[in-house]
Amino acid sequence: EVQLVESGGGLVQPGGSLRLSCAASGFIFSGFSMNWVRQAPGKGLEWVSYISGGSGVTYYADSVKGRFAISRDNAKKSLFLQMNSLRAEDTAVYYCAKEIASGWSNDHWGQGTLVTVSS
Amino acid sequence: SYVLAQPPSVSVAPGQTARITCGGNNIETKSVHWYQQKPGQAPVLVVYDDSDRPSGIPERFSGSNSGNTATLTISRVEAGDEADYYCQVWDSSSDHVVFGGGTKLTVL
Repeated sequence: EVQLVESGGGLVQPGGSLRLSCAASGFIFSGFSMNWVRQAPGKGLEWVSYISGGSGVTYYADSVKGRFAISRDNAKKSLFLQMNSLRAEDTAVYYCAKEIASGWSNDHWGQGTLVTVSS
Repeated sequence: SYVLAQPPSVSVAPGQTARITCGGNNIETKSVHWYQQKPGQAPVLVVYDDSDRPSGIPERFSGSNSGNTATLTISRVEAGDEADYYCQVWDSSSDHVVFGGGTKLTVL
């Protein structure tokens, strides 16, 4: 059974940093691209970042480019999101999601971790 | 950047057919994916690559994509289908994943 479990969320002051983790199990982690998707309170889904299975390709939403960094450790079956220079508008539930083999859609999602940016 | 437009809400009576649209410029050239999200839960993929269903998704869920509009069709709607639905594509011109704004399906 595929499982994705996010951790690392919490309350952080504007300008601060946070590192999110996503522990994966139940599938060959290195064989699949992964995404981070966020959802602000009461709002819709917003894609944040993508990483290919081998880490060679990464993409970022314009709203986080230059501030966030996605990475993965295939040996530890873990996905990460380093978030720097956090702003109030980054407040959201952050989901990690596994892409399907044919790409660009996500067939498994974690339950999310809440990041709150506030003073 | 590429924009996907969804109606904010759709209402349908139980047993009827719900159609949720997703508009985008020449969207038929892209693969469209659909997610269902119930309150307090993570999204669930219900249709991918325009019209394919993941295992475990009922046949009542189907998708189509033509011209500038993709459509998620839910036949024989049940109370349990009440949720927010999002369309999504990959925009190769910007290397961005794009989500529609979401549609709240209300079962009357």
